[in-house]
Amino acid sequence: EAGVTQFPSHSVIEKGQTVTLRCDPISGHDNLYWYRRVMGKEIKFLLHFVKESKQDESGMPNNRFLAERTGGTYSTLKVQPAELEDSGVYFCASSQEGTGWETQYFGPGTRLLVL
Amino acid sequence: AQSVTQPDIHITVSEGASLELRCNYSYGATPYLFWYVQSPGQGLQLLLKYFSGDTLVQGIKGFEAEFKRSQSSFNLRKPSVHWSDAAEYFCAVDAGDNYGQNFVFGPGTRLSVLP
Repeated sequence: EAGVTQFPSHSVIEKGQTVTLRCDPISGHDNLYWYRRVMGKEIKFLLHFVKESKQDESGMPNNRFLAERTGGTYSTLKVQPAELEDSGVYFCASSQEGTGWETQYFGPGTRLLVL
Repeated sequence: AQSVTQPDIHITVSEGASLELRCNYSYGATPYLFWYVQSPGQGLQLLLKYFSGDTLVQGIKGFEAEFKRSQSSFNLRKPSVHWSDAAEYFCAVDAGDNYGQNFVFGPGTRLSVLP
């Protein structure tokens, strides 16, 4: 069974440009999460989808970040326009729908560098 | 708000030596605790988790962790470290409600293993 995949693995863009990150969860997983780790800081929760609905987006830093999960399968996270402080590693995770506290399986992350 | 501390940023041990990575948390209710490991170029892999019951939890790769409520700790241990254990280790507390789930991660401890 394939794990969580993320694309691209690395992205280098200039300040002001737009970048779109993609996450493909494990097949059948209704829960999808985005996290990010800014350089030298903790991994921070961004948001949580249940199928195509945003369950919790309390961690989204500002309105330059837009996450979608059309059809309840893969998800995209768009940063527009990117700023220097957006540099970091963006992780995606997925888990099965259940009674809660399901194990989250993480992807390898997308390393974003904004110059 | 929930918080997780990992006092050691970087630990170096010799191969074959024992290991203990510290984790302390601040959480108002019964915690759900996790340890993840990230090897270079890889995603976060779940080592073990504590939900309830036996406070000594066994995980993969020979790791175990002990939940101590009185000390608000969930330290990770391994009796004999292998060179392949060199990685970054993250302790996490679940911060979600009974439906949503998102993690508060500690800052991570980087483990180096000497031959």
